[in-house]
Amino acid sequence: QVQLQESGPGLVKASQTLALTCTVSGDSISSDSRDSWAWIRQPAGKGLEWIGHINPSGSTNYNPSLKNRVTISVETSKTQFTLILTAVTAADTAVYYCARDRFFGISSSRGYYYGMDVWGQGTTVTVS
Amino acid sequence: SSELTQDPAVSVALGQTVTITCQEDSLRRSYITWYQQKPGQAPLLVMYGQYNRPSGIPDRFSGSDSGNTASLTITGAQAEDEAAYYCYTRDRRDNHVVFGGGTQLTVL
Repeated sequence: QVQLQESGPGLVKASQTLALTCTVSGDSISSDSRDSWAWIRQPAGKGLEWIGHINPSGSTNYNPSLKNRVTISVETSKTQFTLILTAVTAADTAVYYCARDRFFGISSSRGYYYGMDVWGQGTTVTVS
Repeated sequence: SSELTQDPAVSVALGQTVTITCQEDSLRRSYITWYQQKPGQAPLLVMYGQYNRPSGIPDRFSGSDSGNTASLTITGAQAEDEAAYYCYTRDRRDNHVVFGGGTQLTVL
């Protein structure tokens, strides 16, 4: 059974860099090349915001609103992936989740379709 | 990228049927996926593809996805279904992910 666990500092000073790690257990990031491994965040009382994802090949996609500040990478062990967010402000205060965005199938009309079927418990990050 | 529109709040009487909708107008999207989130918990996948339920999700949850609107229907809503529901999709052109703003379901 795949499990994800986020780790990193709970408090970051404004203008500094946030670094979070997601540790994957029970599977490898490279087990299915069609899956993506994602970061999502949620400010208190608000909705979910996709930050970005990485594929086992190393290709990435980022939310355009964060693109200039975000980097997602996979560790060589293929059991961890990381989020780097630079120049943080109070607006980056949120619960940060990592998730497996699993490839479920292909539709002739809708193309590839996915779903985040495994989530970490989330880690709260406060920017002071 | 695509944008997904959800009603902010919906209510349903215990045991009745409720439908939560998610609208996207560009038609560049993939199928809608649905998540349930209870306070203090990570989101839970409840529907993917047009109408596929992950293992462990009760069969009172059903889905449809056609044209520019996807729906999540709960037939015989239970108290434990009270939660926020988010729709999600990928833009087929740029592979970006987008979440809807969420619908808070209240079971009366």
